[in-house]
Amino acid sequence: NAGVTQTPKFRILKIGQSMTLQCTQDMNHNYMYWYRQDPGMGLKLIYYSVGAGITDKGEVPNGYNVSRSTTEDFPLRLELAAPSQTSVYFCASSRTGGVNTEAFFGQGTRLTVV
Amino acid sequence: AQSVTQPDIHITVSEGASLELRCNYSYGATPYLFWYVQSPGQGLQLLLKYFSGDTLVQGIKGFEAEFKRSQSSFNLRKPSVHWSDAAEYFCAVGESNTGNQFYFGTGTSLTVIP
Repeated sequence: NAGVTQTPKFRILKIGQSMTLQCTQDMNHNYMYWYRQDPGMGLKLIYYSVGAGITDKGEVPNGYNVSRSTTEDFPLRLELAAPSQTSVYFCASSRTGGVNTEAFFGQGTRLTVV
Repeated sequence: AQSVTQPDIHITVSEGASLELRCNYSYGATPYLFWYVQSPGQGLQLLLKYFSGDTLVQGIKGFEAEFKRSQSSFNLRKPSVHWSDAAEYFCAVGESNTGNQFYFGTGTSLTVIP
């Protein structure tokens, strides 16, 4: 009954450090997404993937990289952390990519860059 | 560009009172509309969705929403609020013309007082 699992839940990074936010889903969903949620803002799409080996940019991709080597996993990489990347990050998945399909969300990763 | 507006940043209601959360969207065609709820420390959970057909849709936890094309609105309602409904609520629009993306509103924070 795991659904979408994100690790870590919290992280503090120093400027210039790098890290990978992990996301895994056990629902065999083809589509996976990374969003960021800033205070007082809606979720913004960073990257998405339509299946293993295929990724594409969303609305705010700068400063991030992703990979999708398996159906289950969709890690998000921050290479040179900046204060502007302080945010809450949500991973999501959906069975298909149509906008008439429900997305399932992880619990989020709260990242602070200092 | 598509947009979703939730005019109320924060709403406080008494337990047992009725609730209406507003959502307006900007989209040329018939939109796919969603309401999600985010409890503290949790990911987003789908409350209900509208794709077509009956403009009054029922969701989980006793919530309903009505699609009004003439007003470009998709307001969320509940007849009697419970303390456990305190959470952040997000309206979202699914857009299929430019890559199946979801656009989220900025959210409405609901406080329930006893």
